Amino acid sequence: GDSVTQMEGPVTLSEEAFLTINCTYTATGYPSLFWYVQYPGEGLQLLLKATKADDKGSNKGFEATYRKETTSFHLEKGSVQVSDSAVYFCAYTTYDKVIFGPGTSLSVIP
Amino acid sequence: NAGVMQNPRHLVRRRGQEARLRCSPMKGHSHVYWYRQLPEEGLKFMVYLQKENIIDESGMPKERFSAEFPKEGPSILRIQQVVRGDSAAYFCASGDRHSSNQPQHFGDGTRLSIL
Repeated sequence: GDSVTQMEGPVTLSEEAFLTINCTYTATGYPSLFWYVQYPGEGLQLLLKATKADDKGSNKGFEATYRKETTSFHLEKGSVQVSDSAVYFCAYTTYDKVIFGPGTSLSVIP
Repeated sequence: NAGVMQNPRHLVRRRGQEARLRCSPMKGHSHVYWYRQLPEEGLKFMVYLQKENIIDESGMPKERFSAEFPKEGPSILRIQQVVRGDSAAYFCASGDRHSSNQPQHFGDGTRLSIL
């Protein structure tokens, strides 16, 4: 069935370290892919998106590339900051709902 | 330009009581989605509504849960006879048209605690 798999957290990094959060999905057709971020006590905010194969979404230094051949959408950032500490959700849309991964908690320490 | 507004932010109920969660979509949006986030888990789809219509309720529990989106006013998620397992964060999202390319915009959620 439809699902999203993310690397398990929590992930703890030092400031300025390189970040990768892996995401793979199982879906029929060619869904649009998203990364959402949830800061403590808040709702979800759209971080970036890609709507077709080989598209690269980017925002706030984060990037992810839609890889149809591997059904993946890994999130990367070259140099993380303390303010990036949050939970990150990989997701895709079907006709009428968003399918979320379980989330990956990121803690960045000074 | 207000985003998706949910209230209350926190709601405490005793077992057996009713919980009502409200969601006002972004201005101009006519599609509303409800999701539930259990502790340490991702969000699970519950229901998708347009004005006065339930489009997809495949994620709603069969009993005690209901949702509406009237012609006037906010969307309401209603949980009757709450139990401890209903404790979760409930998020509402809205969209302006039905397209899988369009991201949904989320509210800050209602955190429901059952005593």
